[in-house]
Amino acid sequence: GEDVEQSLFLSVREGDSSVINCTYTDSSSTYLYWYKQEPGAGLQLLTYIFSNMDMKQDQRLTVLLNKKDKHLSLRIADTQTGDSAIYFCAEALYSGGYQKVTFGTGTKLQVIP
Amino acid sequence: DGGITQSPKYLFRKEGQNVTLSCEQNLNHDAMYWYRQDPGQGLRLIYYSQIVNDFQKGDIAEGYSVSREKKESFPLTVTSAQKNPTAFYLCASSIRSSSNEQFFGPGTRLTVL
Repeated sequence: GEDVEQSLFLSVREGDSSVINCTYTDSSSTYLYWYKQEPGAGLQLLTYIFSNMDMKQDQRLTVLLNKKDKHLSLRIADTQTGDSAIYFCAEALYSGGYQKVTFGTGTKLQVIP
Repeated sequence: DGGITQSPKYLFRKEGQNVTLSCEQNLNHDAMYWYRQDPGQGLRLIYYSQIVNDFQKGDIAEGYSVSREKKESFPLTVTSAQKNPTAFYLCASSIRSSSNEQFFGPGTRLTVL
């Protein structure tokens, strides 16, 4: 089955690191994504990781994937107030020429100045 | 500038009325998607279209209808059969239905009074 879960809320102080966690249930997923949604806006792709990778780093962002535990995390180093948003993880399953993307519930990150 | 647009940003309708939400993209993408976002529930797929003149039901298609007569346009009609239509609606597109990244529009917030 496909079910992506996240905690709903995270609060950090500016300058600290943020770690947003996600669990998924389908081991057949091909890609896992992190999207960012600012208030009243659409989603923006931040980064993604292929399912055969363990880690991906992109500037302040580090994605860790633990396939055994079906656990995905996003670490944001030196968190800034502009990072305040809702972060969605998502998994993609490829089937019949179509890549179905299942989104998590979203984690609202609040950065305290 | 290439992008995906949704209009209007806010929409109010009386209960029992059908309403159509617009989604246009000039990215030359084949695939387009409609999602519904409710607080604490993440995004749920309503309909998707892999190519012009073709579309398939997503996870929550009941009470909704779509058309894909042009590559650039994928309007969503929320019918009176949709029991709880008040939500934030997001349209997205991707180069192909097998592509990694979905590009999102800014969303339309529909409120049914």
